[in-house]
Amino acid sequence: DVKVTQSSRYLVKRTGEKVFLECVQDMDHENMFWYRQDPGLGLRLIYFSYDVKMKEKGDIPEGYSVSREKKERFSLILESASTNQTSMYLCASSSLSGSLYEQYFGPGTRLTVT
Amino acid sequence: AQSVTQPDIHITVSEGASLELRCNYSYGATPYLFWYVQSPGQGLQLLLKYFSGDTLVQGIKGFEAEFKRSQSSFNLRKPSVHWSDAAEYFCAVGARAAGNKLTFGGGTRVLVKP
Repeated sequence: DVKVTQSSRYLVKRTGEKVFLECVQDMDHENMFWYRQDPGLGLRLIYFSYDVKMKEKGDIPEGYSVSREKKERFSLILESASTNQTSMYLCASSSLSGSLYEQYFGPGTRLTVT
Repeated sequence: AQSVTQPDIHITVSEGASLELRCNYSYGATPYLFWYVQSPGQGLQLLLKYFSGDTLVQGIKGFEAEFKRSQSSFNLRKPSVHWSDAAEYFCAVGARAAGNKLTFGGGTRVLVKP
């Protein structure tokens, strides 16, 4: 069964802290994505990666960075957390050779920055 | 650039009644269209997808959607709603020109009355 896991379901951090959100997929997918989800705005793409060590900016990359050192793992980094980064963060993955564009999602991490 | 609009933010429906969720997209070429569902506290699960061919698509949990190119719409329907269908529903569009990225609508939250 397809599986995308995220390191934490809930996280509370203080303003200015460095925050790491981890995502792991066990499907050998090439593509991985980080979204944030806010009420009324749907999902907005922060960063994505087509391959190990490759990354591309999405629609709202400001204040975030990413790391992909291994194919199965994609990390989202908030260098200096701010209250406006309080949100639900969703990780997803997809395959280049499978059903194109179909993304598989993790359960999400609800981050609160105080 | 592609975009997706879900005009209804909230919909309340009685259990056993029919449900239709609207989705309008904007994209110049043939889009790839998806409906995802997010139950409370969960990640997103794919309900159905349209790539080509028959414009009426069947999905899981008794849902179906119809692609209407002339109206740029991909509305989701279910003939008889169950209490477990209470969730948030997201329409998404992908396209070859956009690589493997999806653009999501703002979501429609469905409440089911007993």
